[in-house]
Amino acid sequence: SAVISQKPSRDICQRGTSLTIQCQVDSQVTMMFWYRQQPGQSLTLIATANQGSEATYESGFVIDKFPISRPNLTFSTLTVSNMSPEDSSIYLCSVRWGQAYEQYFGPGTRLTVT
Amino acid sequence: AQSVSQHNHHVILSEAASLELGCNYSYGGTVNLFWYVQYPGQHLQLLLKYFSGDPLVKGIKGFEAEFIKSKFSFNLRKPSVQWSDTAEYFCAVNYGGSQGNLIFGKGTKLSVKP
Repeated sequence: SAVISQKPSRDICQRGTSLTIQCQVDSQVTMMFWYRQQPGQSLTLIATANQGSEATYESGFVIDKFPISRPNLTFSTLTVSNMSPEDSSIYLCSVRWGQAYEQYFGPGTRLTVT
Repeated sequence: AQSVSQHNHHVILSEAASLELGCNYSYGGTVNLFWYVQYPGQHLQLLLKYFSGDPLVKGIKGFEAEFIKSKFSFNLRKPSVQWSDTAEYFCAVNYGGSQGNLIFGKGTKLSVKP
């Protein structure tokens, strides 16, 4: 399996500001994903980020709010823009690996917006 | 719409009790099925997976799950739980193979009393 790291692990941000979350993988992977896990909730897919193409966003998520970069096969960033308290959540990076299309997850970034 | 249902929100067991967590998914053709576990303060880990072959799959830490295609179910079982199994368990389904994404259930919190 791949080893995934995320920075920062947590942050407290003010309303109206932006935060960029980094995701680093120890192996080259084609498909990377960004999820949100709100308090007490399950995981919701924000977008799929493939290297060399624009990210594909799920319903309810837009590029202006959650711009994503995928400059190479081991790295991606997610920016949470113009934050509001409703954006307080854990943001998770994930990669697909293996013949069953299983996904592995990073440790997450816990974001609190005040 | 494709969906995954986990019937139990919170399960409380004593050590050595048997465990069965339910997971049902909506019809969507060929599926790959997963259980993930999130221990307190830790990131999401893959517990086991099914994509073909024997419908009874064994995972780490003594867990197993049975895929029953006619019931659209993939229940997680363990004959004898330990206090260290206290965690949140998520069922997830990949509907589209290489082009699909994981859809998660809402999760089941398991508390094991010593």
